Amino acid sequence: GESVGLHLPTLSVQEGDNSIINCAYSNSASDYFIWYKQESGKGPQFIIDIRSNMDKRQGQRVTVLLNKTVKHLSLQIAATQPGDSAVYFCAGTSGTYKYIFGTGTRLKVLA
Amino acid sequence: DAGVIQSPRHEVTEMGQEVTLRCKPISGHNSLFWYRQTMMRGLELLIYFNNNVPIDDSGMPEDRFSAKMPNASFSTLKIQPSEPRDSAVYFCASSFGAEEQYFGPGTRLTVT
Repeated sequence: GESVGLHLPTLSVQEGDNSIINCAYSNSASDYFIWYKQESGKGPQFIIDIRSNMDKRQGQRVTVLLNKTVKHLSLQIAATQPGDSAVYFCAGTSGTYKYIFGTGTRLKVLA
Repeated sequence: DAGVIQSPRHEVTEMGQEVTLRCKPISGHNSLFWYRQTMMRGLELLIYFNNNVPIDDSGMPEDRFSAKMPNASFSTLKIQPSEPRDSAVYFCASSFGAEEQYFGPGTRLTVT
């Protein structure tokens, strides 16, 4: 599949454990954030989003936390499964079409 | 819904040749984006169309790159002449307004 990045930070977790992936952003004007999941050979897929007027948003097995004070986002995946293995990107925008993407974190789920 | 469709999925060409990448956005979406993804630079926005009109092409590397959107259901990204440093995965994405962008599967371009 397409090569995303051989030198990405990698998080290895045991199947069934919870995963936490972190992302820092620099633009304090960013007010909308998305987490994307990119599997090998595929394009990024939307997972969950959050607006800056929220601190936390929950989806199915995923939770995004936003700390605007320190400009930090995290994605929590509960009960990590082998199908969660992928590269995860955060992206932010200040209300326009121009998203700034993070470099990504590779999640490896160990059986 | 078939999602964003891109073709070809893989392209191998020799330096100096013309390359044309194709994209069909999701029906009803009015914004279309071309991105390039490399190991060194991650995802970079090349060009953004809104209602078939190019709004921002500041990410296009140089004059060798051009993009068109003749109608709401089709866009092309052309590289002429291609160079080895153009080797990357090229993604097309579409959205409705400023909502989340849906990405296609990408075209892996290799220029030898």
